[in-house]
Amino acid sequence: GENVEQHPSTLSVQEGDSAVIKCTYSDSASNYFPWYKQELGKRPQLIIDIRSNVGEKKDQRIAVTLNKTAKHFSLHITETQPEDSAVYFCAAIPSGNTPLVFGKGTRLSVIA
Amino acid sequence: DVKVTQSSRYLVKRTGEKVFLECVQDMDHENMFWYRQDPGLGLRLIYFSYDVKMKEKGDIPEGYSVSREKKERFSLILESASTNQTSMYLCASSFGTGGRAGSPLHFGNGTRLTVT
Repeated sequence: GENVEQHPSTLSVQEGDSAVIKCTYSDSASNYFPWYKQELGKRPQLIIDIRSNVGEKKDQRIAVTLNKTAKHFSLHITETQPEDSAVYFCAAIPSGNTPLVFGKGTRLSVIA
Repeated sequence: DVKVTQSSRYLVKRTGEKVFLECVQDMDHENMFWYRQDPGLGLRLIYFSYDVKMKEKGDIPEGYSVSREKKERFSLILESASTNQTSMYLCASSFGTGGRAGSPLHFGNGTRLTVT
């Protein structure tokens, strides 16, 4: 089945710097790649997603890139702010009728 | 806005008890899911359902069962709670038949279960 690897597991950046989180997937037929943000004590919430027919998508300070050949996708956060501190999960939906498979998460800390 | 409601935020149960975790969504979503969240292990899928009275095992179904008698409600059952089931349990729902691609998950606030 699908396997999603996420790196790094923890990431600390200075406020204003950029943060990049990378994920790889194993099923070449996977076609939907969402990213979820989970603030401390709260539920995971979708922040951005990308489909396999698109290489990049941006929404203000966040962007996601997808490289189908290499089977990896990345989350980019620019001009980080303290409120970006959270755990971020990547996910992929494999082929067929199967649910999302999540990476193990990245704990991002933005230091003021 | 989609609302996924889990009946309890915190729950403490004794070893061997039968435990029911309830989840209700108000957006007429076909798909519902139960995840378990543990530090360093991410979100692991326990069971899911794509329709009323339908259920499928996820990655870690052992020790759990589910019930979906109505479209809006998906219950997770721990038949005989054990200490290794102490965890955060998250329910989620999504739109779309069969849970196929492009259907974002909407999560509940979670139930932190402690089994003593």
